[in-house]
Amino acid sequence: DGGITQSPKYLFRKEGQNVTLSCEQNLNHDAMYWYRQDPGQGLRLIYYSQIVNDFQKGDIAEGYSVSREKKESFPLTVTSAQKNPTAFYLCASSSTGGVREQYFGPGTRLTVT
Amino acid sequence: QKEVEQNSGPLSVPEGAIASLNCTYSDRGSQSFFWYRQYSGKSPELIMSIYSNGDKEDGRFTAQLNKASQYVSLLIRDSQPSDSATYLCAVNGVSWGKLQFGAGTQVVVTP
Repeated sequence: DGGITQSPKYLFRKEGQNVTLSCEQNLNHDAMYWYRQDPGQGLRLIYYSQIVNDFQKGDIAEGYSVSREKKESFPLTVTSAQKNPTAFYLCASSSTGGVREQYFGPGTRLTVT
Repeated sequence: QKEVEQNSGPLSVPEGAIASLNCTYSDRGSQSFFWYRQYSGKSPELIMSIYSNGDKEDGRFTAQLNKASQYVSLLIRDSQPSDSATYLCAVNGVSWGKLQFGAGTQVVVTP
């Protein structure tokens, strides 16, 4: 089955620690995205990548970093510089042609205490 | 002004009735419009896409787009308890890849 996987589903970390969230897709999509969702709010774009070895900052990139070494993978690192890291993190992917519908993975819920 | 605005709800709808959800957007150059359904604690699921003015129907869902008024809506006919969720409106503007999301409208279908 084609789809997007994110791991882990739940993640708990102590303040001051960096943490990496995994995102893998087998939809053969060129573009991948990371969003953050806070309670009662819409999704906010953190980073996106249209092609391997290239990525752009979204609206709230401060305190986050990404890499895109493989087409299938787009890991997100939440660094200790991110002031409010507790949130629901969503990875998505899309084609780069046509209508570019974005499809989401199941998400990772990060709690930092 | 938010780029994509939705009524937060909750929108309470009797089972079998029509749920009507509205979304307005500020970027007049927007080209693509999407509706996602998000159950509590889950990720968004794409349910409708619309690109041209007018109506687009898919099963019990109808999306309506009016670019002149910068308005997109979603109708859910014969609402079922399983339709209880938050519905997110998303708009793809001039900047490639950057979907702008509304905060979502919570729909509660009551038996």
